[in-house]
Amino acid sequence: AQTVTQSQPEMSVQEAETVTLSCTYDTSESDYYLFWYKQPPSRQMILVIRQEAYKQQNATENRFSVNFQKAAKSFSLKISDSQLGDAAMYFCAYSGAQGGSEKLVFGKGTKLTVNP
Amino acid sequence: NAGVTQTPKFQVLKTGQSMTLQCAQDMNHNSMYWYRQDPGMGLRLIYYSASEGTTDKGEVPNGYNVSRLNKREFSLRLESAAPSQTSVYFCASSVEGAWLYEQYFGPGTRLTVT
Repeated sequence: AQTVTQSQPEMSVQEAETVTLSCTYDTSESDYYLFWYKQPPSRQMILVIRQEAYKQQNATENRFSVNFQKAAKSFSLKISDSQLGDAAMYFCAYSGAQGGSEKLVFGKGTKLTVNP
Repeated sequence: NAGVTQTPKFQVLKTGQSMTLQCAQDMNHNSMYWYRQDPGMGLRLIYYSASEGTTDKGEVPNGYNVSRLNKREFSLRLESAAPSQTSVYFCASSVEGAWLYEQYFGPGTRLTVT
């Protein structure tokens, strides 16, 4: 079974600085998708960024980018120019790409605090 | 569009009581999901429905039943609630499987079983 590990239960960053959240995963599949979701205090789950495993280029969405290392099974999230609104729980998630693989497997999350 | 809606937002049950959590989406999505979120844990999949008329177990299905009433609605039933089912429950939907399309989440239901 696939597993997702987030080794940092909590992280903090100064406003306007850069922070990197770590995620590793375990799978025997060769094709899959990886995601970062943000959960602010409102509890709403919001997709931040998605990476297809077959793509070598790292995904980028504005201030958010990933460092995808397929051989190392590592998928870290970098937040640049951190803003107060970035404070939230961040969850790394995995989905297989085989037919019938409906499931998202989540890590336990990293709580990000942004200090003014 | 309302997206994914869940009712109720909060619920307190006594051990042994039953209840149904309702979920509806107005995005014409085929796939729907129920997750639970416990402190210090990520979301864990309870059940999912890949299409109208089909349901499958996820990681933690024990103690729950689901019904895909139609394409829009996917309900989660607790027949005899237990304190271990105290959690926040999220419903989600996507066009197709999670690997291709983003899952859209509802606002969650906070359930307490005493």
